[in-house]
Amino acid sequence: NAGVTQTPKFQVLKTGQSMTLQCAQDMNHEYMSWYRQDPGMGLRLIHYSVGAGITDQGEVPNGYNVSRSTTEDFPLRLLSAAPSQTSVYFCASSYSVREGEKLFFGSGTQLSVL
Amino acid sequence: QKEVEQDPGPLSVPEGAIVSLNCTYSNSAFQYFMWYRQYSRKGPELLMYTYSSGNKEDGRFTAQVDKSSKYISLFIRDSQPSDSATYLCAMSARFYSSASKIIFGSGTRLSIRP
Repeated sequence: NAGVTQTPKFQVLKTGQSMTLQCAQDMNHEYMSWYRQDPGMGLRLIHYSVGAGITDQGEVPNGYNVSRSTTEDFPLRLLSAAPSQTSVYFCASSYSVREGEKLFFGSGTQLSVL
Repeated sequence: QKEVEQDPGPLSVPEGAIVSLNCTYSNSAFQYFMWYRQYSRKGPELLMYTYSSGNKEDGRFTAQVDKSSKYISLFIRDSQPSDSATYLCAMSARFYSSASKIIFGSGTRLSIRP
């Protein structure tokens, strides 16, 4: 099993550009989420999904969009990149909402916005 | 004041030493307490998961929760160079009306010297 797969691993964008970070899991997990990790601030929840067709906002959703058309995929879209979005992004999944704390993380996407 | 406080380190100890990592928190509603381990340029992986107060042991790792003091600890016995990583504490107060909201500490960087 591949687990949680994120692409790309690295990305450099110019201010104002848009892009999509891909996330796929092959564990048939119900719950998927996106976090950003910044120095000294811990992991912060951007958006999450409790199942196909259902998404909701986390702690820092502004400037990001998500959709969940299948159980496996949960892409994160940056609408108009800003330097404040320079960060490491992690996709994570868990078997169910009731065990949402037992997260499986992808290996991350390091994003720089110039 | 952050909901979860964690000393960022770095903490450097000799191989074989007992390591103690700690977090304090302010929200008395937290019930689920986790420790995640994160190697450099990798995603976090769940190491320990506990509910409410008490101790939990798994091999060389022991997680301790003291809800009266709002303090959690992770002990590593017989530390190995392979334990060198950043350790993130995390906790949540699960509400069934929404997905669990997990608060992460900012992480303690640990280095085990051979």
